[in-house]
Amino acid sequence: SQQGEEDPQALSIQEGENATMNCSYKTSINNLQWYRQNSGRGLVHLILIRSNEREKHSGRLRVTLDTSKKSSSLLITASRAADTASYFCATESSASKIIFGSGTRLSIRP
Amino acid sequence: SQTIHQWPATLVQPVGSPLSLECTVEGTSNPNLYWYRQAAGRGLQLLFYSVGIGQISSEVPQNLSASRPQDRQFILSSKKLLLSDSGFYLCAWETGGAQETQYFGPGTRLLVL
Repeated sequence: SQQGEEDPQALSIQEGENATMNCSYKTSINNLQWYRQNSGRGLVHLILIRSNEREKHSGRLRVTLDTSKKSSSLLITASRAADTASYFCATESSASKIIFGSGTRLSIRP
Repeated sequence: SQTIHQWPATLVQPVGSPLSLECTVEGTSNPNLYWYRQAAGRGLQLLFYSVGIGQISSEVPQNLSASRPQDRQFILSSKKLLLSDSGFYLCAWETGGAQETQYFGPGTRLLVL
C-alpha cells in the first residue's frame, strides 16, 4: 500500500500563480522528500525535510511538515511554464526504503 | 561526480520474450540500488533493492528478477514477458547506508505486445 498520497492528483494554474501540493502519509517517518518528474524522464530530487523540521526553503520552493497530522505541503511560488511536471513525495521510515506517493501532475498555463 | 546510466531508453518486446535491462552507476562505491516500475500516470512501485553484490530484496511477487553481478551494476530480467510488464522502469541509487536522497536514471520505457 502507498505510504504517501499526494493531492490533488492534477493541478492546472496560470503562470505566475503559486502552486500548492499536499502529501499525507500513514506511519512515523525519519524524513520526507519531494521529487519532480518531467514527462518520460527520471525523477529529480528537489528537497528533503527531516522529521524534526517544520519548514524548509529552496529557491521558489517551500516545504512544510506537520508530523502530528502526518502531512506535508510543497509550495512553488511565482510558477513558470517550466515547472510543468509531476511532483512526488517520498517518505523514509525506520523500516528503511523510500516509499513514493502517486504524484500530482502540475500544468502551468502561459 | 556520480552518474547513473540506464539502457535501452525504449524497448518493444513480444509477449513471452526475455528481458534484460541494465543500470550502471559511476562515481560512487557500494551504493544501494533500486528498480522501480511506473505505470502510465501513476506513482512508483518498488520492485527490487540491493545493498551489495549478490544481495537482492524483492518487494512484490512478479514475473521479474534482479541481479547485481558487480558493485555498480544492477540488472532487471525476465524469462518470459507478460503484457502487464509494460511500463516505465527506473533505476536509482543512494549512498550505501544513508537511506536518504535517491538519484534516478533516465528510465526505460517497455512496451510488451
